[in-house]
Amino acid sequence: NAGVTQTPKFRILKIGQSMTLQCAQDMNHNYMYWYRQDPGMGLKLIYYSVGAGITDKGEVPNGYNVSRSTTEDFPLRLELAAPSQTSVYFCASSYGTANTEAFFGQGTRLTVV
Amino acid sequence: AQSVTQLGSHVSVSEGALVLLRCNYSSSVPPYLFWYVQYPNQGLQLLLKYTSAATLVKGINGFEAEFKKSETSFHLTKPSAHMSDAAEYFCAVSDPRGSTLGRLYFGRGTQLTVWP
Repeated sequence: NAGVTQTPKFRILKIGQSMTLQCAQDMNHNYMYWYRQDPGMGLKLIYYSVGAGITDKGEVPNGYNVSRSTTEDFPLRLELAAPSQTSVYFCASSYGTANTEAFFGQGTRLTVV
Repeated sequence: AQSVTQLGSHVSVSEGALVLLRCNYSSSVPPYLFWYVQYPNQGLQLLLKYTSAATLVKGINGFEAEFKKSETSFHLTKPSAHMSDAAEYFCAVSDPRGSTLGRLYFGRGTQLTVWP
């Protein structure tokens, strides 16, 4: 049982480059989320989606874009990479009720140099 | 808005000793509360959750947490630490009234070290 799958696991980008972080889930969850994790700061919500075609901003959306064309996939796009985007990125999914847990992927460690 | 405070960014215990990781929340209504564990280079895994049933919640790997409304706390405990418990632990809350149901607000995390 795959759960939430993220690719790639590691990536080094140069300033100004762009890339897409992939996320797929096989649990038929409507809600999907992108968080970033910085040392000592916990996880911050970047974007979320409540279903195919519907996305919205979280706490720290600047410099990122998302799309949700299917229930399964929720890619995160970095258009012009900046050193401040060096972080570990986690995708998560849930049934979207407040009392159910989110399921997390293994994370993507991104370094921008 | 929801907020979570985890007291102590690093906690060290000896193997066999009591583990106590502290979590306090700020909310106008009792939220739903979660503890997640993150092992090195892995994603977050649910340890346990409080969803307004029993105030003492038992989770995986011998961990438990008690919801105390009067203290706005949800501290995580384990009677006897094991080397395999070394990891980072996150407390998180979910707002039952929030517009983004299922969105989690995380504390900053507590790194647990277990000494032999």
